[in-house]
Amino acid sequence: GENVEQHPSTLSVQEGDSAVIKCTYSDSASNYFPWYKQELGKRPQLIIDIRSNVGEKKDQRIAVTLNKTAKHFSLHITETQPEDSAVYFCAEPASGTYKYIFGTGTRLKVLA
Amino acid sequence: ETGVTQSPTHLIKTRGQQVTLRCSSQSGHNTVSWYQQALGQGPQFIFQYYREEENGRGNFPPRFSGLQFPNYSSELNVNALELDDSALYLCASSLTSGTEQFFGPGTRLTVL
Repeated sequence: GENVEQHPSTLSVQEGDSAVIKCTYSDSASNYFPWYKQELGKRPQLIIDIRSNVGEKKDQRIAVTLNKTAKHFSLHITETQPEDSAVYFCAEPASGTYKYIFGTGTRLKVLA
Repeated sequence: ETGVTQSPTHLIKTRGQQVTLRCSSQSGHNTVSWYQQALGQGPQFIFQYYREEENGRGNFPPRFSGLQFPNYSSELNVNALELDDSALYLCASSLTSGTEQFFGPGTRLTVL
């Protein structure tokens, strides 16, 4: 079925600490996993993505890891800064279609 | 290269009315997907258009309809508006169906 579970729903960290957000998907045929950041009142912005032929991808302070066996993928943000505060969504293209199924979102607060 | 644009930015309608929302895809992109994002939730897929044809639909009633034009811009039409239709409507364009999606700023629709 089509389902993406995302945890936690809220996350507060001190500036400089790391944040990890996890999503679990149900469709074993999925092969592309994007992460979006949405600031209040703004559009979701693609921040990093990973394809199923790799286990990890890194872009400066942001990384995504994929565990195909367990069917979960995680967003890792290191050295968090106040401007990282936003809602983060994972997404999964539904099998056999081109629609994205989004997770329920994680509200990240970075405390200065 | 211009990004995804949407119009109008905000709209207020009353129950039973009809509304048309517009989206211009990013230069070179031939696929447009529409999403509904209720407050505090993740985007929900409405439908996708690829080269002027509907290419997948989510769980939305037929009063949600769309079009894509030869220049790949798109419209979302909603008839017989209901209070629950109040949401942020996002369009996302991609280079082709199945690739990364880039979102527009959204149209905030309020139904009174």
